[in-house]
Amino acid sequence: RKEVEQDPGPFNVPEGATVAFNCTYSNSASQSFFWYRQDCRKEPKLLMSVYSSGNEDGRFTAQLNRASQYISLLIRDSKLSDSATYLCVVISGYSSASKIIFGSGTRLSIRP
Amino acid sequence: DAGVIQSPRHEVTEMGQEVTLRCKPISGHDYLFWYRQTMMRGLELLIYFNNNVPIDDSGMPEDRFSAKMPNASFSTLKIQPSEPRDSAVYFCASSFSPPPASGGLYNEQFFGPGTRLTVL
Repeated sequence: RKEVEQDPGPFNVPEGATVAFNCTYSNSASQSFFWYRQDCRKEPKLLMSVYSSGNEDGRFTAQLNRASQYISLLIRDSKLSDSATYLCVVISGYSSASKIIFGSGTRLSIRP
Repeated sequence: DAGVIQSPRHEVTEMGQEVTLRCKPISGHDYLFWYRQTMMRGLELLIYFNNNVPIDDSGMPEDRFSAKMPNASFSTLKIQPSEPRDSAVYFCASSFSPPPASGGLYNEQFFGPGTRLTVL
């Protein structure tokens, strides 16, 4: 089993729809969680951090469920420009002892 | 402001040749990371440095891979000899140390544009 697993893509949804996908992790000691966005043939860029209490940034909501060991990303009122691959990142440990694992990504395609 | 700079952007080489990838991190960042991305395996962390010192190289595939960071503004990833299965996009990323108040938690990484390596 992979240490970090994401929903398989691609997700193909109409503009304006709400879409959500998850990322599960196996290490219960994981400390930090993030969502990155990667456009086609581009580098990953930080989308948002995931806090224990959940957090929202405009149309994007990230949540953490420690009991079930997964994080989620919800996108409301999706735009064409949201089409990208979304990578979750799970960090175990602190600072110089950190283990950083990226998920394989969920591809999202928004259609007009 | 310049972001992370990588060179070359594209590299095509033949099996058995030595390949050197270069990275200039964002000025002031004290962490530097090398990643490899393929369709099959996704984004994999190969090695990372803190203050020019390698901290974790457990992701380096084998002895054919080596990485150095001679100073705070330059790092190289070398593959010798290269093999077709090394074909991938190699990303370099850099970040500041996590702020002490965060308890040492991770800080945002800024990625370079990547080097697309093809080994024939």
